[in-house]
Amino acid sequence: NAGVTQTPKFRVLKTGQSMTLLCAQDMNHEYMYWYRQDPGMGLRLIHYSVGEGTTAKGEVPDGYNVSRLKKQNFLLGLESAAPSQTSVYFCASNLRWNEQFFGPGTRLTVL
Amino acid sequence: GENVEQHPSTLSVQEGDSAVIKCTYSDSASNYFPWYKQELGKGPQLIIDIRSNVGEKKDQRIAVTLNKTAKHFSLHITETQPEDSAVYFCAASYNNNDMRFGAGTRLTVKP
Repeated sequence: NAGVTQTPKFRVLKTGQSMTLLCAQDMNHEYMYWYRQDPGMGLRLIHYSVGEGTTAKGEVPDGYNVSRLKKQNFLLGLESAAPSQTSVYFCASNLRWNEQFFGPGTRLTVL
Repeated sequence: GENVEQHPSTLSVQEGDSAVIKCTYSDSASNYFPWYKQELGKGPQLIIDIRSNVGEKKDQRIAVTLNKTAKHFSLHITETQPEDSAVYFCAASYNNNDMRFGAGTRLTVKP
């Protein structure tokens, strides 16, 4: 099993550009999450999904959109990137009430 | 919403000594408290977790204690080894949704 994978690993954007981050899991997990990690602030939940076709807002959802069209995939979109969105993005997944498994992260820089 | 505070932000110990990291949470409804270890360039990995119906849990050199009345929980690592060097995060949530993380503790174990 590959576990949780994220694409791409690194990306540099200019302000105003758009992009989509892809998260995939092969563990048949119901729940999936997108976090951002900034220095000195731990991880903050952006959006999450409790099943295919459902999404919900987390702690810091502004500026991001998500979609869960297939159970194994969770997409995070930035419609108009801003320098404040420079961060490391982590995807995670789990079965309900169980351990969250994290992907390796995507380092995004917005110039 | 939930607020998690973590102390200290950095901790340096000699190999073989014990290390203790403490967290407090604000929402009395939180019932799940995991601890994650994050090595450089990788995603966080669960090392131990505790639920609110348990006061203490141990796994080899790692233990976690929970005081629901005071709303704080702690990670204890005994007989530390250089490979324990990493950033450790505590977190709190209700039923493992909308997890809120502490800011992290950078642990350095000196040989």
